[in-house]
Amino acid sequence: DGGITQSPKYLFRKEGQNVTLSCEQNLNHDAMYWYRQDPGQGLRLIYYSQIVNDFQKGDIAEGYSVSREKKESFPLTVTSAQKNPTAFYLCATSDSLNYGYTFGSGTRLTVV
Amino acid sequence: EDKVVQSPLSLVVHEGDTVTLNCSYEVTNFRSLLWYKQEKKAPTFLFMLTSSGIEKKSGRLSSILDKKELFSILNITATQTGDSAVYLCAVGGTTSGTYKYIFGTGTRLKVLA
Repeated sequence: DGGITQSPKYLFRKEGQNVTLSCEQNLNHDAMYWYRQDPGQGLRLIYYSQIVNDFQKGDIAEGYSVSREKKESFPLTVTSAQKNPTAFYLCATSDSLNYGYTFGSGTRLTVV
Repeated sequence: EDKVVQSPLSLVVHEGDTVTLNCSYEVTNFRSLLWYKQEKKAPTFLFMLTSSGIEKKSGRLSSILDKKELFSILNITATQTGDSAVYLCAVGGTTSGTYKYIFGTGTRLKVLA
């Protein structure tokens, strides 16, 4: 079954702790993206990667870090520098711009 | 600065009504426009539009793009309570050889029985 797996579905962390969200895909898509969604708002781009070992900052990259060591995986680390980390995080992939996005099921992060 | 604006922000209708959702954009080197439906979790894909004036249809939903006036509309006819969701518009463009989609804030649709 081809798709995107995000884990975990729900994550609770204490303030000041770093946390890593997983995103794995077996669609053989080149491009991968991380978005953040806050209640009542659209999706905001955190980081994206169009090729292995390369990634670019999106609109709200501060307090986040990523890596792209292999095509299938694009983990996102939410660091203690991120002031308001509680949100719904979505990972997406794309084969080319003309084919749109495929989304994972999301991770809901709550920092207490 | 690239931007995508959706209107209205929210809408409440009764079952059987027809609704029109709007998405206007300013994006460098436009490539495509996407519509998604989101019900509490990950967005599900509805339509991709790349050419002006060609209507895409799926059941009671349809969408069209106007690349001259830089907008798209999503129509839902004979609405049902199951259509209640947030509808997201995303526009893809390229800047300096890189590409990405910019999302609007969404239109929250509630359909009352």
